[in-house]
Amino acid sequence: GDQVEQSPSALSLHEGTGSALRCNFTTTMRAVQWFRKNSRGSLINLFYLASGTKENGRLKSAFDSKERYSTLHIRDAQLEDSGTYFCAAESSAGNKLTFGIGTRVLVRP
Amino acid sequence: EAAVTQSPRNKVTVTGGNVTLSCRQTNSHNYMYWYRQDTGHGLRLIHYSYGAGNLQIGDVPDGYKATRTTQEDFFLLLELASPSQTSLYFCASSEKLGGTETLYFGSGTRLTVL
Repeated sequence: GDQVEQSPSALSLHEGTGSALRCNFTTTMRAVQWFRKNSRGSLINLFYLASGTKENGRLKSAFDSKERYSTLHIRDAQLEDSGTYFCAAESSAGNKLTFGIGTRVLVRP
Repeated sequence: EAAVTQSPRNKVTVTGGNVTLSCRQTNSHNYMYWYRQDTGHGLRLIHYSYGAGNLQIGDVPDGYKATRTTQEDFFLLLELASPSQTSLYFCASSEKLGGTETLYFGSGTRLTVL
C-alpha cells in the first residue's frame, strides 16, 4: 500500500536556529498536509499543498509530486514550535490520506 | 473557526468493556473520520463517513464499529474492548474527501484498556 516515510523521528533545536523535516512517498501523491500536535494534544493544520511551496511565518513547506517528497522548514525556531509534526499524503485517487509516523521536535533555550 | 469536539478526553475501561467515543463538529462538513494514533504508526484511519447514516471502512477497522447519527455527530464504538485498543483517538472533519479541504481535528480521547 501507499507508504509515507517521515524523517527524522526526533529533532532537537536551539532557539533561533532552523532545520527541515522530510516526508518521502513510495507512490505518486496528489497533495500533502502538515500538522503539528501541540502540548495539549490538539492537531493543528499547518499547510495543505498540491504543488510548489507555501510559507507561513517561520514555517515553509514544499511538495514535489514527481520526485515524491515534501519538506517542512522551520527557521528561527521558538519554544512554542515544540511538538510532534505529522505529514499526511493524499493518494492520486483522492480517497485516502496516509500519515507519517511523526517527528518530535524539541526547541531548547 | 472550524470546531470539532470530542468526549470524553480520557477513558479507562477493562478488557471486554463497552466504550463509546463521541465526536461533534459544528463546521457543516460532510466528512467525518476516526483515527487512532500510536507511537511508530502515525495516525491510522479506523472508519469514516460522508453523511448521516453513512459508514465507510478505513484501514484498521477490526474491533470497531461506528455510527453517524447526524451530520454533526459521529460515534466510535468498542463493544468488547481489548488492551490492543489502548490508544489516542482523534476525530476529524472535512468538507470533501481529498480535494483542497484540510482536515480539522478534535483534541483527542486517550483510551486505556486494562
